[in-house]
Order: sequence, then structure tokens, then C-alpha cells
Amino acid sequence: EIVLTQSPGILSLSPGERVTLSCRASQSVPKNYLGWYQQKRGQTPRLLIYDASIRATGIPDTFSGSGSGTDFTLTITRLEPGDFAVYYCQQYAVPPITFGQGTRLEIK
Amino acid sequence: QVQLQESGPGLVRPSETLSLTCSVSGGSISSSFCGWFRQPPGKGLEWIGYTHYSKDTDYNPSLTSRVTITLDTSRNEFSLRLTSVTAADTAVYHCVTGGGWLVDYWGQGTLVTVSS
Repeated sequence: EIVLTQSPGILSLSPGERVTLSCRASQSVPKNYLGWYQQKRGQTPRLLIYDASIRATGIPDTFSGSGSGTDFTLTITRLEPGDFAVYYCQQYAVPPITFGQGTRLEIK
Repeated sequence: QVQLQESGPGLVRPSETLSLTCSVSGGSISSSFCGWFRQPPGKGLEWIGYTHYSKDTDYNPSLTSRVTITLDTSRNEFSLRLTSVTAADTAVYHCVTGGGWLVDYWGQGTLVTVSS
């Protein structure tokens, strides 16, 4: 099983700031099949990035993903009020499909 | 636009079987990976399993002894069955479909509580 570890667990930031979230895999993720989701309270997860670096349909270019192998990052270049949520990374390369434990972005 | 809707009991008694159905509109399940995820209240996401019309079914090893996912292509629905439930199975259950294991569409989710 590929274990994904996200850091940090919680971040307190202000709108307008830049943030980078980390996702580290216990073993290399084949084909870089790594995605990032945003989830707000009571809502379905929203896909932001797939295949490590491709923005999903309708996702603004303030969101970007990078990385390969075991180390991946999600960067938000300028935080909007609607970006404060929980972010999960997910590998969908090999079963079992696994998620990181999440990073919560809070408004400072 | 593909839409998914989960249905089933919101309350299941311990040791009994949880059964949910996902009705799909706007697309055929015959050409999709169909699966289930769950999220316990206040916790993270967990993959339950995927099935496909022409491929093997894959389940999370932590659940494989208790879970079954089946397709009904005539109704364009698929179902989840989880036996011998405990309080740890209390969660929002989401059905999903996709061209591969990356989810294209999510159902809104249904809360299932395991309690006597």
C-alpha cells in the first residue's frame, strides 16, 4: 500500500498569501498518478489537479501542482477567501487507492 | 452531464448489512469504473472499491472480507453491500464513476449511521 503523508496538518494564513502544501509517498507513485482535492465542510471533494500537474477543468491558474516519484506539492499563488478548506492528495495508480490525511487551511 | 445519486437506509444496526445503490443518469455505467468512497464524520477519505463491466473488481484490503460492489447495467445502477457493520462504518458514503481510477463524477453522498 502506498502511504501518503501530507504536511503540515494545519496552516493559518491570510488572503493574498502564497502557500505550498506537501504530499510525500511511501514509495514511488507510478505514472505520477497523483491528484489533489479541495474539500469544504459538508461538500463533495473537488478535483484540482490530476497526474501531478494538470489542472482539472475550471480550476484557476492560481492552483498548480508539481513533483514526481515520491514528492509532490500543491501551490496556491494567492489565497482567496474561498480557498480556505481541507486539501487532500490521492494516488490512483495502484490499489488500494489511498489519500493523505489532509491539510487544513485556516484564515489567520 | 453525468449525475449520481446514492440511496439506501440512513441507519443500520450493528452486525447487520449496509446496502446502498447508486443511480446514474447522463452516462452509461457499462463503459465506466464505478466505485465507492466513504468519509467518517470529521475524518479523511477512504476508498472502498471499484468495479468495471469488463474488468476485475478491486476492494480495499481493509474491507475486502465484508464488501461487495455489483453492477446492474439494465438499470444503469451499481450497489454497495457491507456486512457485519460496526460503529466504525458510520460515514458519508459517496458513489463515483470515472474513465479510470481517477474520479470523474461524485454523488453528493449519503450519511449512514451504525447504531442500535
